[in-house]
Amino acid sequence: NAGVTQTPKFQVLKTGQSMTLQCAQDMNHEYMSWYRQDPGMGLRLIHYSVGAGITDQGEVPNGYNVSRSTTEDFPLRLLSAAPSQTSVYFCASSRKQGIQPQHFGDGTRLSIL
Amino acid sequence: AQTVTQSQPEMSVQEAETVTLSCTYDTSESNYYLFWYKQPPSRQMILVIRQEAYKQQNATENRFSVNFQKAAKSFSLKISDSQLGDTAMYFCAFMKSTGTASKLTFGTGTRLQVTL
Repeated sequence: NAGVTQTPKFQVLKTGQSMTLQCAQDMNHEYMSWYRQDPGMGLRLIHYSVGAGITDQGEVPNGYNVSRSTTEDFPLRLLSAAPSQTSVYFCASSRKQGIQPQHFGDGTRLSIL
Repeated sequence: AQTVTQSQPEMSVQEAETVTLSCTYDTSESNYYLFWYKQPPSRQMILVIRQEAYKQQNATENRFSVNFQKAAKSFSLKISDSQLGDTAMYFCAFMKSTGTASKLTFGTGTRLQVTL
């Protein structure tokens, strides 16, 4: 049981490049979400999904797109990378709302030059 | 909107001693969940302990326990018999129990160093 798998673990981009961060879970969780972690701050929610075909914005959605075509996958797309998007990105999933804690991936460290 | 405040950016404790990490939160919700997550240098986010707001009894998990004061909106984490492996960032997090998604609101974290 792999849990939540994020790829890549590290990536360096140039300003203006596009990139997709991959997230996959094998626990049949309905809920998936993306957070970013910046120095001196806690994790902040970017986008989330309550099930296949359904996505919604979190606290800091600007500059990011998501889609949820399957229960297992929830990719995060940066269409035109900016230095302000330099961060560590975490994907998380959970079985259902509220009661179950979220399972996190190992994170992707993204640097935008 | 909910806010979570961790007022201790860094703390240090000697091995085998006890340490308490503070967390306060602000919400108008009456029912919710609170969590403590541990993030070691490996960067993993590991759930340490959770508390349902409707439960008066404080949650415990082995050496980890919480002091949940609902009226004061306080949720501190006590680590007993500290071990070197407890060295990590600790995040307090809040989750509403209603709504359509499991959205966590995190505090800014406390960096805990366990020393010999």
